[in-house]
Amino acid sequence: SQQGEEDPQALSIQEGENATMNCSYKTSINNLQWYRQNSGRGLVHLILIRSNEREKHSGRLRVTLDTSKKSSSLLITASRAADTASYFCATGGSEYKLSFGAGTTVTVRA
Amino acid sequence: EAGVTQFPSHSVIEKGQTVTLRCDPISGHDNLYWYRRVMGKEIKFLLHFVKESKQDESGMPNNRFLAERTGGTYSTLKVQPAELEDSGVYFCASSQAKSGANVLTFGAGSRLTVL
Repeated sequence: SQQGEEDPQALSIQEGENATMNCSYKTSINNLQWYRQNSGRGLVHLILIRSNEREKHSGRLRVTLDTSKKSSSLLITASRAADTASYFCATGGSEYKLSFGAGTTVTVRA
Repeated sequence: EAGVTQFPSHSVIEKGQTVTLRCDPISGHDNLYWYRRVMGKEIKFLLHFVKESKQDESGMPNNRFLAERTGGTYSTLKVQPAELEDSGVYFCASSQAKSGANVLTFGAGSRLTVL
């Protein structure tokens, strides 16, 4: 069954604007990760946040994690055309595998 | 460093035929995973190898799917006989970590179309 679920499914923004997407999950986790997939390419790891962390930054990315609500958000600031991609959250638990959602498709308009 | 390589990038076959997908992980990565994404839905876990052993194959849909990892290096995923619902993108990923924060490196995927 699906663990992570991203919202919204699709997002269209103007270059320079911020993009925010959310992820909800169902079971307890050790960490939560965000990946990006550009069309026709593999998924690329963006950022990891552990269950005992609440916020993390990496460049123009900001991730929050609320374990009480079982949710996370990914904020991309000052978006660029190159940020056009699908974004997936993935949860890691006690097992080795990661569980992914269906992704949020982000389109950045020039 | 070479990344995760998958072959073929796209395969079109007829229902009932057989297809074999190949994945070459990053050298030295003991963990190898297969995932599948069907029709824009979630990326679903298929199975996980640690070296040549199947650690978790709970996501394999049925016995038409067979995964192997010869000598703990490259892996193959065979679908025989293929059905229409097998169409999708099959991703392979590898990692070094055995537990905790396990960051995966993905290949570009093999798109399978079953007609």
